[in-house]
Amino acid sequence: AQKVTQAQTEISVVEKEDVTLDCVYETRDTTYYLFWYKQPPSGELVFLIRRNSFDEQNEISGRYSWNFQKSTSSFNFTITASQVVDSAVYFCALLTNTDKLIFGTGTRLQVFP
Amino acid sequence: DVKVTQSSRYLVKRTGEKVFLECVQDMDHENMFWYRQDPGLGLRLIYFSYDVKMKEKGDIPEGYSVSREKKERFSLILESASTNQTSMYLCASSARLAHTEAFFGQGTRLTVV
Repeated sequence: AQKVTQAQTEISVVEKEDVTLDCVYETRDTTYYLFWYKQPPSGELVFLIRRNSFDEQNEISGRYSWNFQKSTSSFNFTITASQVVDSAVYFCALLTNTDKLIFGTGTRLQVFP
Repeated sequence: DVKVTQSSRYLVKRTGEKVFLECVQDMDHENMFWYRQDPGLGLRLIYFSYDVKMKEKGDIPEGYSVSREKKERFSLILESASTNQTSMYLCASSARLAHTEAFFGQGTRLTVV
C-alpha cells in the first residue's frame, strides 16, 4: 500500500519557536519521491521541496530544513524561528512510480505573535 | 508564469444536478489530477489522467467521472450531485515521468444544496 501519515493535526507555537512537522510514508517502490507543500489561507498549494529516495542528505533553505530517513520512512520538516507568515496547512506527499501523487492529511500550523 | 486554472472559484448546485468542473493548464503537462479536500482528510485523489483520453481511478472515484479530450483540459463530472459531494476540489498537473512537482489551481468550492 502507498500511504502518507501526518499524525499531527494541528500545532500551535509562539513566534520564534522552532517547530517540526512529522511525515511518515509507506511504499514498496524502491524509487520514489517525497514532497512538502504549503497551503496558506488563500488556498493555493505552494511547492516547497522534492526529495528522491536515493538522496538522504538533509536540506536547508533559509529557516526551513528537511530530514529524510529511509530507515524510519520519515521525511520531517522543521521551521526554525517561526513567524506568523508561516501559519498554514502543510502537506507531505509521495509520488509513486506510476506518477500518482498521494497526500497526507496535513498539519495545520498556527504561529501566534 | 505557469498556470493551472479552474473555471470557478465558488459553485452552488442543487442535489441531482449534473455538475462540470473544468481545469486548464498551460504547461503542456501530460499528467492531470483531481483531488477533493475535506477537513481532517487532506487531499484525496479522485481521478488521474496521464494522457489524452487516458484515466485512472484514484482513491474515491465513486460518484464522479472525468473527461480528457485535449491535453490541456481535464474535466471532473458529478453525474448527479449529492450533498456529500460538498467540498473543495483541486486540480493539478505535472510532467509525465519527470518526477517533478505538481502545480495546483486555486480550487473550486462546491456546495450542493
